[in-house]
Amino acid sequence: EAGVTQFPSHSVIEKGQTVTLRCDPISGHDNLYWYRRVMGKEIKFLLHFVKESKQDESGMPNNRFLAERTGGTYSTLKVQPAELEDSGVYFCASSPQRTSGYEQYFGPGTRLTVT
Amino acid sequence: AQSVAQPEDQVNVAEGNPLTVKCTYSVSGNPYLFWYVQYPNRGLQFLLKYITGDNLVKGSYGFEAEFNKSQTSFHLKKPSALVSDSALYFCAVRVGQGTPLVFGKGTRLSVIA
Repeated sequence: EAGVTQFPSHSVIEKGQTVTLRCDPISGHDNLYWYRRVMGKEIKFLLHFVKESKQDESGMPNNRFLAERTGGTYSTLKVQPAELEDSGVYFCASSPQRTSGYEQYFGPGTRLTVT
Repeated sequence: AQSVAQPEDQVNVAEGNPLTVKCTYSVSGNPYLFWYVQYPNRGLQFLLKYITGDNLVKGSYGFEAEFNKSQTSFHLKKPSALVSDSALYFCAVRVGQGTPLVFGKGTRLSVIA
């Protein structure tokens, strides 16, 4: 079974540019989460999809961040325009269903560097 | 609000010695507790979890953790450390099924040969 995949693995962009991160969850997983780790700090929750619906987006920093999950499969996270403080590692995770104690399975992350 | 504390940024241990990585949590409600490990240039890998039942849980690579409700702790342990255990370890908690994880800052474990 393929794990959670993320693309790209690393992105370097200039302040003011746009970047789109992609996450492909494990097939059949309804729950999809985005997290971010800024250098040396905690991994922070950004948002949670259940299938194609946003269940919780309380962690999204501001309206420069837009997440979508088309058809309940893969998800994209767009940052537009990027700022220096957006630099960090963006993790995606998925889990099978809400009504169980399943752990979340994480992808390798996308390292975003804004210069 | 939920929170997780990992009081040590770095833990150093000699190969073959027992290791402990500390984690305490604060939640309202019954916690689901997790440990994840991140090796260099890799994603987070699940190690073990406590959901309910036996307070001592065993996980991957010989790791175990003990849930202590009175001390609100979930320390990660291994009887004999390996150099290959050197990595970044994260403790996480959530309350309720399907909810997001709240992570600690991480503890870097260095096992010295």
